[in-house]
Formats: sequence, structure tokens, C-alpha cells
Amino acid sequence: DTEVTQTPKHLVMGMTNKKSLKCEQHMGHRAMYWYKQKAKKPPELMFVYSYEKLSINESVPSRFSPECPNSSLLNLHLHALQPEDSALYLCASSPLPPAGVSYEQYFGPGTRLTVT
Amino acid sequence: AQKVTQAQTEISVVEKEDVTLDCVYETRDTTYYLFWYKQPPSGELVFLIRRNSFDEQNEISGRYSWNFQKSTSSFNFTITASQVVDSAVYFCALSVSGGYNKLIFGAGTRLAVHP
Repeated sequence: DTEVTQTPKHLVMGMTNKKSLKCEQHMGHRAMYWYKQKAKKPPELMFVYSYEKLSINESVPSRFSPECPNSSLLNLHLHALQPEDSALYLCASSPLPPAGVSYEQYFGPGTRLTVT
Repeated sequence: AQKVTQAQTEISVVEKEDVTLDCVYETRDTTYYLFWYKQPPSGELVFLIRRNSFDEQNEISGRYSWNFQKSTSSFNFTITASQVVDSAVYFCALSVSGGYNKLIFGAGTRLAVHP
């Protein structure tokens, strides 16, 4: 099973709202990722979790707050977003690579977020 | 610095034509990995292939084939006898060792296959 699921599929929120995006994988992967993708652009890495610990934060504004409650789940908490944060948010997972190795990442279908 | 260039922004072909998507990468690392992903209109990125820098063998998988040439820093992707279902955005990506599996994506090539 190479499936990564994300909920919700679509989300519309106002700038004062608080919402959360959820991601789940059951492949036993110990690395999980959040990406942001604007229209007609490639995905941009936001966060990387390794063994449920935050490994990389690509200078993401604090209005985005990631959380990894366990090895299968990844959340992205959203608060006080701006209209320019409207994008497709993709979650991915992979086996945790040993030093010197890179593994393919498996992506979910994404959450299309609109901030009004 | 690492960089991936996909110079072809959009390609349009008629069904059954062969099409090659170009990918040129830059890195000073001797150990690195290259990937291709497909993103159909539904939005999900689908993994197609992973290749490490020490394996220059070309690969064929059905109608898909990949040509890796270190001498020109290229990792091109060919679809033979294209089909409408191949219509998607295709991304080439680079990952270097010690980079927490971080993918550096090219800008993508939008492929439209017409009946």
C-alpha cells in the first residue's frame, strides 16, 4: 500500500480562522514532509519530520505550525493566514534514508486551500 | 548550489507520437539522486523513477524510458507512443546526500497529448 491520505481535499478559511490539515500514511515510513505548491510552480518544501521530530523548517512563517503526533500522522495547523497563502498543500512520506542515500517520496493528493 | 532546469515549459503532441522531456541538473556533489514525478490534473505527485549518480544505465519501463548522461548532466525522459492519459505536468528533481532527502524540483514541463 503506497497511499498517503490527506484531509480535507478543499478548505476555504478567513484570515482570522484556525484550521488544521491532516495527513496519514501506513507504509511504516519514518520521514514525513509538508510542501506548498502555488499554481504553475513546483512544490516548495516547508517542513521535514524524522522519527516524529522536526528536522527541517524552511523558514516558514509561524502562522504555519506543524505537528507529528505519531509515526503515521502529520498535521499542519493554520492560524491568521494571508490570501497569498492560498495554495495546494501536499504531504509526503518516505523511508528514513541512511547517510548518503535519498529515497523517493510518496505524495498525498493535497489540500487545496483558499484564504479569503 | 544545486539546481534543476526543465527548459520546456509546455509540449503539445498528438496521440501516438514519441515525446522527450529534458532535464538538466547542477550539483558539485559526487553522490546524488535524480527523480521524475508526474502530476496529473488531480494534483497528486506520482513517483516514476529514482536514479543514483553511480548508475548510468538507461532504464525502460513499458512506454517510459530514461536517459541519464553524467557528461552532460542530463536525465531525460521519453514517452513512446504517447496517450491522452499521459497529459500531466512532469517534474524532474534532484536530491543530494546529507540533504535530509530534500527534493530540489525543476519548474516542470506541462505535456498535453491530444487525440
